[in-house]
Amino acid sequence: SQQGEEDPQALSIQEGENATMNCSYKTSINNLQWYRQNSGRGLVHLILIRSNEREKHSGRLRVTLDTSKKSSSLLITASRAADTASYFCATVVTGNQFYFGTGTSLTVIP
Amino acid sequence: DTEVTQTPKHLVMGMTNKKSLKCEQHMGHRAMYWYKQKAKKPPELMFVYSYEKLSINESVPSRFSPECPNSSLLNLHLHALQPEDSALYLCASSLVQGWDTDTQYFGPGTRLTVL
Repeated sequence: SQQGEEDPQALSIQEGENATMNCSYKTSINNLQWYRQNSGRGLVHLILIRSNEREKHSGRLRVTLDTSKKSSSLLITASRAADTASYFCATVVTGNQFYFGTGTSLTVIP
Repeated sequence: DTEVTQTPKHLVMGMTNKKSLKCEQHMGHRAMYWYKQKAKKPPELMFVYSYEKLSINESVPSRFSPECPNSSLLNLHLHALQPEDSALYLCASSLVQGWDTDTQYFGPGTRLTVL
């Protein structure tokens, strides 16, 4: 399977703290994307990082990519209760094949 | 309009029923996708349509039959499903399949229960 593995599977933090989740994958990629899913709903695209990029920022989100280790991390700073959701990394290989990781369930406690 | 819509939101069907799921987007996207998602699992790709032609079928059982009548509409016809097919079915679209910086826009999903 080319599916990525995410850890931790579940993360619970206090509002205002930072949340970090990691994604490891198996094959060479074109880009890696992070998506958020609120309970039982569709996925929302958060950020895309190309294979030749090492770090990217978008608002309170910071994504890093280490292609030598085949891993990526998503950092959410100053978390809010509204950030409570499941977060999935998606590795994109040739032909725009998307492979979603196993997901991290984030709970932000007010 | 940056929305993908899916109908119905919920569907309960028996194993002998025939039903259809519908997905629509008006963003001019030429790639559309069906995913199946079980509880606490990532979405699993089922089908990809590119320019209204079936591009990828991830070895999905024939009781699932996709259809893309036009560039805005994607259907998933269901027949003789099994209880294990109960899941959230997600539709997504993207500008062009194969563009390496393409992102997917997801609909809210149809929650399917097979009795």
